[in-house]
Amino acid sequence: QKEVEQDPGPLSVPEGAIVSLNCTYSNSAFQYFMWYRQYSRKGPELLMYTYSSGNKEDGRFTAQVDKSSKYISLFIRDSQPSDSATYLCAMSYQGGSEKLVFGKGTKLTVNP
Amino acid sequence: KAGVTQTPRYLIKTRGQQVTLSCSPISGHRSVSWYQQTPGQGLQFLFEYFSETQRNKGNFPGRFSGRQFSNSRSEMNVSTLELGDSALYLCASSLVGQYTGELFFGEGSRLTVL
Repeated sequence: QKEVEQDPGPLSVPEGAIVSLNCTYSNSAFQYFMWYRQYSRKGPELLMYTYSSGNKEDGRFTAQVDKSSKYISLFIRDSQPSDSATYLCAMSYQGGSEKLVFGKGTKLTVNP
Repeated sequence: KAGVTQTPRYLIKTRGQQVTLSCSPISGHRSVSWYQQTPGQGLQFLFEYFSETQRNKGNFPGRFSGRQFSNSRSEMNVSTLELGDSALYLCASSLVGQYTGELFFGEGSRLTVL
């Protein structure tokens, strides 16, 4: 069993839809949870960061962490064609380290 | 401010050869890490350097090695290349201080092994 599981999709939605992306993990030692976005032929870029359990909102994006269920989610409201990218969840055991464990990524296409 | 720069962007090698990839972090960033990205395994951590010292190493064979120089620039080397080493190799840097989970990635070096 991989430490972090993420449905690879692909996921195709119409513009304006609400998108839900999810990851599950097996190791309860993870404390830091991130969502990265990767456009084609680019490196990943940080979208959201959450420490421990809870919700975090930033504009159209909401990240949720449920440590009791070992489950994290990213919601995108009013999705736009510019949101078309691969979304990667990532987790870390220790703050200050660049060692992240990534999910395989979900490829999202938002159709105009 | 310039981002993370990786060279070369594309390269083709044959089995048994070795390759060296270079990474220049964002100015002021002293922590550098390397990741391998493949369609089958996704992004996998290779190693992390801070102040020329390796802080963490991923689960890769000894053919994969790296180093960091005093100016924070980093190189990784893969010896005795295998077909399975074909991948996008990403370098990332970060600012040491308050942890935000943010790594700044370069655009990667795409290695094809024939």
